[in-house]
Amino acid sequence: QVQLQESGPGLVKPSETLSLTCTVSGGSLSSYYWSWSRQRPGKGLEWIGWIYYSGITHYNPSLNSRVTISVDTSKNQFSLKLSSVTAADTAVYYCARANYALEDTFDIWGQGTMVTVSS
Amino acid sequence: QSALTQPASVSGSPGQSITISCTGTSSDVGSYNLVSWYQQYPGKAPQLMIYEVSKRPSGVSNRFSGSKSGNTASLTISGLQAEDEADYYCCSYAGSSTWVFGGGTKLTVL
Repeated sequence: QVQLQESGPGLVKPSETLSLTCTVSGGSLSSYYWSWSRQRPGKGLEWIGWIYYSGITHYNPSLNSRVTISVDTSKNQFSLKLSSVTAADTAVYYCARANYALEDTFDIWGQGTMVTVSS
Repeated sequence: QSALTQPASVSGSPGQSITISCTGTSSDVGSYNLVSWYQQYPGKAPQLMIYEVSKRPSGVSNRFSGSKSGNTASLTISGLQAEDEADYYCCSYAGSSTWVFGGGTKLTVL
């Protein structure tokens, strides 16, 4: 059974870069897109972007200039970097698998990790 | 790319049916049959309930159903149960390999 687990610092200073990693267990990265989304406190979900196992990326246009998603197939991990963070980037960050069998619907999610931006 | 519009809250009594709407534009919901719905309990990760507008993943109760008309998708829950009380989010493909979520709807079972 495929499981996803986010990891990374829970506290990031303003203007610095937020870095998170999602580790995939129980399955391979191959043939899937892998996604990052976030949820600000008390707010709805926001799609950040995704990466194909081969490294092709697509980002939310509103975050495009600050987001980088990368993949490391040898470690079965993919990562998120969000630069120049502000308090508005404080959120729970989720990684998820986009299942090609379900037309790339996000069918498996990590438990989420809270990131607070504060000095 | 604006968030899809959902009612902030809906409510119903046990056994009743409720419908949650999700309104987008001709660039997202209206153009693609790639609308999905997620259930989220407080402090938990979203769980897929409906994909491709009306398909249910294995293990999801047939009390959950989805539909779409024009730029608006809908999630209907029939035979409402206490365990259905949660937040619900819609999601649509928005073209150019991007996705957009709705603002979420809090379902209260009275």
